[in-house]
Amino acid sequence: EVQLLESGGGLVQPRGSLRLSCEASGFGFNSYTMSWVRQAPGKGLEWVSAITGTSGSTYYADSVKGRFTISRDNSKNTLYLQMSSLRVEDTAVYYCAKDMLSSGWPGELDHWGQGTLVTVSS
Amino acid sequence: EVVLTQSPGTLSLSPGERATLSCRASQSVGSSYLAWYRQRPGQAPRLLIYAASSRAPGIPDRFSGSGSGTDFTLTISRLEPEDFAVYYCQQYGRSHTFGQGTRLEIK
Repeated sequence: EVQLLESGGGLVQPRGSLRLSCEASGFGFNSYTMSWVRQAPGKGLEWVSAITGTSGSTYYADSVKGRFTISRDNSKNTLYLQMSSLRVEDTAVYYCAKDMLSSGWPGELDHWGQGTLVTVSS
Repeated sequence: EVVLTQSPGTLSLSPGERATLSCRASQSVGSSYLAWYRQRPGQAPRLLIYAASSRAPGIPDRFSGSGSGTDFTLTISRLEPEDFAVYYCQQYGRSHTFGQGTRLEIK
């Protein structure tokens, strides 16, 4: 059974930093592209970032480019999102999600974690 | 950036009725780079349809998707109680974006 378990969320001040983790199990982690998607309270989904399975190519939404860094440790089956220069508008539940088919260009997401809440506030 | 516009914003129907949800892209996303998700309150999204018209594993055949280019449709043929939720489309042909969602509520 595929499982994705996010951690690392919490309260952080504006301009602060935070690192999210997503521990994966139940599938060949290094064979799949992985993504982060966020959802502000009461709002819709926003794609944030993705990283391919083997080559480690990365992709970012314009809203986080230059501030967030996605990475993965295939030996630990873990996905990361390093967030810096955080803004109030980054407040959201952050979901880790697995690509259904691909280890390349990010596509449809067939398994999601339950999310971790990041609150940016002074 | 490709903007996805979903309509209607809210759809009020009864169990057993047919639902038709629309997703329109500001520019072509290709023939099949579109997915649909359902999100129930307090839960993570669930993939329903990928490549515009293919059902994800375990998704019942009352869900169907169609369209290409800029206009896509999700149809639920007979609504079940668990289908009343928020639905999102996602494109992954030109970068990656989600629509703003359609809320399907019980009439």
